[in-house]
Amino acid sequence: DAMVIQNPRYQVTQFGKPVTLSCSQTLNHNVMYWYQQKSSQAPKLLFHYYDKDFNNEADTPDNFQSRRPNTSFCFLDIRSPGLGDAAMYLCATSRGGQVEETQYFGPGTRLLVL
Amino acid sequence: AQSVSQHNHHVILSEAASLELGCNYSYGGTVNLFWYVQYPGQHLQLLLKYFSGDPLVKGIKGFEAEFIKSKFSFNLRKPSVQWSDTAEYFCAVNAGGTSYGKLTFGQGTILTVHP
Repeated sequence: DAMVIQNPRYQVTQFGKPVTLSCSQTLNHNVMYWYQQKSSQAPKLLFHYYDKDFNNEADTPDNFQSRRPNTSFCFLDIRSPGLGDAAMYLCATSRGGQVEETQYFGPGTRLLVL
Repeated sequence: AQSVSQHNHHVILSEAASLELGCNYSYGGTVNLFWYVQYPGQHLQLLLKYFSGDPLVKGIKGFEAEFIKSKFSFNLRKPSVQWSDTAEYFCAVNAGGTSYGKLTFGQGTILTVHP
């Protein structure tokens, strides 16, 4: 009954080597979000898609990009990972249309940068 | 921009003790408030939410939270905790301005319940 799936669960990359994290959903939700969560910190929204409309947070580094080829899938691309990008990356979805709506989270991908 | 502050980083309780986790937010307009929980090894999931009406909201597993607008607070409570409540708890706010649930999270409170 998995609803928001993230692959891989753990990702190791080298400093400066591009990496892609993936997220898929079976909920047919309009909105997909990517959060970065560093150790002992709050999840921080990087960007989100409402359908095909991309919305970047003002303080998200240019190093982070995203793609949403269809309703079900969304990707997070880190073009040149630095040591400071090591974190848990959370994907979430919501239906869209109501400010009080619930977000549904995936299990996260833990990124390690060597 | 809105922000959310959770007062305690780590709370340790014995079973049957009462729980109150503090959450304060900074935003002067209409807000929607949430508590999410992350059990060990699991993903974040909704515990309860407030968006209008009765300021005392009840969630799953016996949790409740009270929205006090004058104090900009949304504290989480449970009268008697169980070992299975061991988890990390996140308060979050959506300050409106969009037609969907864009959230700002607090830094989380780790709750450890000893049997």
